[in-house]
Amino acid sequence: DGGITQSPKYLFRKEGQNVTLSCEQNLNHDAMYWYRQDPGQGLRLIYYSQIVNDFQKGDIAEGYSVSREKKESFPLTVTSAQKNPTAFYLCASSTRTGSNTGELFFGEGSRLTVL
Amino acid sequence: GQNIDQPTEMTATEGAIVQINCTYQTSGFNGLFWYQQHAGEAPTFLSYNVLDGLEEKGRFSSFLSRSKGYSYLLLKELQMKDSASYLCAPANYGQNFVFGPGTRLSVLP
Repeated sequence: DGGITQSPKYLFRKEGQNVTLSCEQNLNHDAMYWYRQDPGQGLRLIYYSQIVNDFQKGDIAEGYSVSREKKESFPLTVTSAQKNPTAFYLCASSTRTGSNTGELFFGEGSRLTVL
Repeated sequence: GQNIDQPTEMTATEGAIVQINCTYQTSGFNGLFWYQQHAGEAPTFLSYNVLDGLEEKGRFSSFLSRSKGYSYLLLKELQMKDSASYLCAPANYGQNFVFGPGTRLSVLP
């Protein structure tokens, strides 16, 4: 079945450590996104990529990095520069067909806790 | 940039009708999405409006006024399982999806 797979589902990290969250999609979507969600809050955009080898910062990119070397993959690294990284991280993808915007398809999320 | 506003919380009774409003300001507007998110889960797609007017899909309907920067989600015959957060997301031609703060709906018996 087509979909988006995020891993790991739960992750614990010590302060000062970098951690990479995986996001893979087999929907053949061009665009991919990373969002952060804090308890009781909405989704905030971290980074997005519309095409391979290109990505743009969202509203809260500081302390995060991404890469888009393959269409299917958009990993997110939470660096030690991110001061408050404990959150629920959601990856999403969408089609890009001319001027039409496709809906977002989400992975199940990765819950990161810093100890 | 984008500016999106939704009520923070709403409460309604099982079987009732509720309307969740969303106002937005964005450049390069290319339609508006509504998503439902249950606690601890990923959002799921509800509707997409690109033209003015009402789109009906079962118990859920969504309305858009592009000139007013306004949308609403209408939920009819509320059920307990409709207790969730409802997220408004205007899309733009840059394909940068930014979500509103979400409206947490509680359905009471």
